[in-house]
Amino acid sequence: IAGITQAPTSQILAAGRRMTLRCTQDMRHNAMYWYRQDLGLGLRLIHYSNTAGTTGKGEVPDGYSVSRANTDDFPLTLASAVPSQTSVYFCASSVTSGDTDTQYFGPGTRLTVL
Amino acid sequence: GQNIDQPTEMTATEGAIVQINCTYQTSGFNGLFWYQQHAGEAPTFLSYNVLDGLEEKGRFSSFLSRSKGYSYLLLKELQMKDSASYLCAVLDSNYQLIWGAGTKLIIKP
Repeated sequence: IAGITQAPTSQILAAGRRMTLRCTQDMRHNAMYWYRQDLGLGLRLIHYSNTAGTTGKGEVPDGYSVSRANTDDFPLTLASAVPSQTSVYFCASSVTSGDTDTQYFGPGTRLTVL
Repeated sequence: GQNIDQPTEMTATEGAIVQINCTYQTSGFNGLFWYQQHAGEAPTFLSYNVLDGLEEKGRFSSFLSRSKGYSYLLLKELQMKDSASYLCAVLDSNYQLIWGAGTKLIIKP
């Protein structure tokens, strides 16, 4: 693989169910990010990780959790999905954080919570 | 609060020139990015400005005025494949990206 991959591509989920969105990068980037994109709004940061073993909260972290056990993987978990979490989710990575590095995005996961 | 403003939608003709404006009010400034996003796809990097002035990259140019909190993306010789949304994002004092809602550009033949 080259770049960032996300899985699944799309998912329809019943409210109250638990769901993990997967994100893997092979660029050896230190920093990774999860965003959600909703119509009429800019990308909003959910959680981020500056380096393996560390995570931080973004603008809209409630209802989501992340882990960063290694450099390549950065899964996003919805513990108990609600309809307001219907969105397109993008994972991104950059060489470092706290700098002006360009962020590279995965193809996205379209999630619908009913 | 932090705010990035862009027009919601613009229409232009193939072969013409279009300018997409972005104004921002953020806590600190460490640079401004422009990304292109085709429908149903991921955003892809176009340009980065941190100093005032114009940066040219082929058919695309980006301008920044820090004193005015203003940037624009200039697209020349428009092609149908340029139909996309263009996202403006500012790196704030915490080095977090603050994103505008994007400008949907429609190119007509």
